[in-house]
Amino acid sequence: GAGVSQSPSNKVTEKGKDVELRCDPISGHTALYWYRQSLGQGLEFLIYFQGNSAPDKSGLPSDRFSAERTGGSVSTLTIQRTQQEDSAVYLCASSLEGWGNTEAFFGQGTRLTVV
Amino acid sequence: AQSVAQPEDQVNVAEGNPLTVKCTYSVSGNPYLFWYVQYPNRGLQFLLKYITGDNLVKGSYGFEAEFNKSQTSFHLKKPSALVSDSALYFCAVRDDTGRRALTFGSGTRLQVQP
Repeated sequence: GAGVSQSPSNKVTEKGKDVELRCDPISGHTALYWYRQSLGQGLEFLIYFQGNSAPDKSGLPSDRFSAERTGGSVSTLTIQRTQQEDSAVYLCASSLEGWGNTEAFFGQGTRLTVV
Repeated sequence: AQSVAQPEDQVNVAEGNPLTVKCTYSVSGNPYLFWYVQYPNRGLQFLLKYITGDNLVKGSYGFEAEFNKSQTSFHLKKPSALVSDSALYFCAVRDDTGRRALTFGSGTRLQVQP
C-alpha cells in the first residue's frame, strides 16, 4: 500500500483480556517501530525491528507485551492480560534504512481502551 | 544512550510573527535529527530532517530548522506563523549506526493566535 496501515483503528477490551494489534509497513521498508502515545503525552518507544537483526525490545514496559515481525513485513504487537494503564494510542512506523532515507512514516495508530 | 529535550510544553505566538520551537539532543556519534508534526486526530507527519551537510534545513509548510553541533540543538523555525500551524510538534534523534530506534521528545504544543 501507499502508507503504513494499522488495524484495528479502535479497540475496546475488558481488563484481563489479550489483544493483538497489527501493522503493515510500507513495502520494502526494512525498519519497523512500535511506539505508544498516552493521552496528552509524548511518544514512548516500545520495540524496533531492523532487517534480520535481533529486535530492540528495550522499550517494552512489561513481559505482558510482545511483538513479532513475520517475513520482514507485517508486525503484530500483543498485549496479554490488559490493564487500564495500557490504554493509549499504539503507533507503528516504518522506514527505509540507508543513508539519507531514514525518516519514519507513521500509521494512523490503534486507539486501545481497556475498561 | 540517546535523548531529546523539548523544554517548552507550549509555545504561543501571534499569526504573522516568527516562531521557534526548541530542541536539544544527546547522542553517541553523529546525530540524525527530525521534526514531526501531529495535527488533532491525525497521525504524525514528517516535516524535515538533518542527516549531514548544510546546517539549515528546509522542510514542509515553510518550516526550517538549524543544526547547531556545539549547542547540540535543532530548533524548528518559521518566519511567519499561520493559525493552521497550531499543532503538536515532536523533535526526534537517532545515531548513525542504525542500531537504535528514533527517540522522541515530549512534544511542544504550538498555539498560533489570530
